[in-house]
This record gives sequence, C-alpha cells and structure tokens, in this order.
Amino acid sequence: NAGVTQTPKFQVLKTGQSMTLQCAQDMNHNSMYWYRQDPGMGLRLIYYSASEGTTDKGEVPNGYNVSRLNKREFSLRLESAAPSQTSVYFCASSPRSASGTVTYNEQFFGPGTRLTVL
Amino acid sequence: AQTVTQSQPEMSVQEAETVTLSCTYDTSESNYYLFWYKQPPSRQMILVIRQEAYKQQNATENRFSVNFQKAAKSFSLKISDSQLGDTAMYFCAFKARDSNYQLIWGAGTKLIIKP
Repeated sequence: NAGVTQTPKFQVLKTGQSMTLQCAQDMNHNSMYWYRQDPGMGLRLIYYSASEGTTDKGEVPNGYNVSRLNKREFSLRLESAAPSQTSVYFCASSPRSASGTVTYNEQFFGPGTRLTVL
Repeated sequence: AQTVTQSQPEMSVQEAETVTLSCTYDTSESNYYLFWYKQPPSRQMILVIRQEAYKQQNATENRFSVNFQKAAKSFSLKISDSQLGDTAMYFCAFKARDSNYQLIWGAGTKLIIKP
C-alpha cells in the first residue's frame, strides 16, 4: 500500500515551459486535491476533485489545469510556467463515507514536488 | 470566510518537556472539524490529531492532546514528553462540515526539540 505517490520529486523549469505533475493513490479514495505550499504560509488549495469525473477550482487556480484521469490519478498541469509558481506542490486524497455524505474528510498527503521556475 | 491563525512562528523546548502550540480560528459555522498536521523535514504531511466540534471531550492520541475551547474558538495542541522526532512544522486546519471539501490552513509553527 503506497498511499499517495507524486512524480517528480524535484523539477526546474524555465519561464514559459509546460509540465504535468502526476499524482496517484491506491486507497480507493473518492476525493483528490492539489495544494501549493509557499514559505511562511499554510497550504493553499489549487484544485480538487470530489469524485471521478468532476473537478473544481480552489483558492488559487489561475495558471493551472487539472485532469482526473480515473479514480486513482489526478494530474496538475502548468501550461506556461511563471516564477510565481515556484513552490512545493502537494497532492492529497480523502475517503467518503459509504452513505455518500461528506465525513470529516481526513486528507492523506503525498511527499510533495519541489518546483522551481527560473 | 473562515480563517485559521497560528500566532507562534517558531518554538523550541528541551527534550522531555511539554509544549503547547496555539491555534485560533474564526467561523460562523456550528458544525466543523479541526486538525493538527505535522510536517517533518521530509516534507510529508502527517495527521496528528483531529477534533469534531460537536464533541466536548478533548481528543488525545498518545502523547498528543488538544485543548478545544469552542466558545473562544481556540484549538491548542499539547505535546507531552517531547522527543527529538517531534521536531517539525505543525499546521492547524479547519473544515466546515458541509463545506466543499476545502481545508483552511494556518501558517504553521516550527517546533524544535533540543537534546
């Protein structure tokens, strides 16, 4: 049981380049999330996917796109990277109760990707 | 809108001492959940403890316990018999029960346990 995995662990981009961050979970969770973490700040939600086939914007979605490829995988794409997107990116997942109602929604995190945009 | 405030950017204590990290939050919701997450130097975010707002009893997990004061909107974390492995960033987070899944995070407290 690997939990939540993210690739790559580190990445350096030049301004204007594109890339996709990959995330996968093997816990059969319905919901998945992408956060960014900047120094001196808490995590900020970029996008989330409540269930397979749905995605929604979080607090800071500009400059990003996401794809919920299937129940396991949720990718984050930077189409044209900017220095302001230099950050550590975390993927997380959470279960949903059997009845379909939202529970306390404990989130399980991947190890993060450190992205630097020059 | 909900906010979470952690007023202590950094704390340090000697090994085996007890330390309390503070967290306050602002919300108009009556049903919600509160969490403490730990982020060691490895960067992995690990859930330490959680509290349901409708429960008056404070949550405990081994050496970790909370002091939940709903009226004061305070949710502090107490670490007893601190260990070197407790050195980490600690984040307080809030989730309204009926929210759109979003956790609201504090800025974190860096805790250093000295040998």
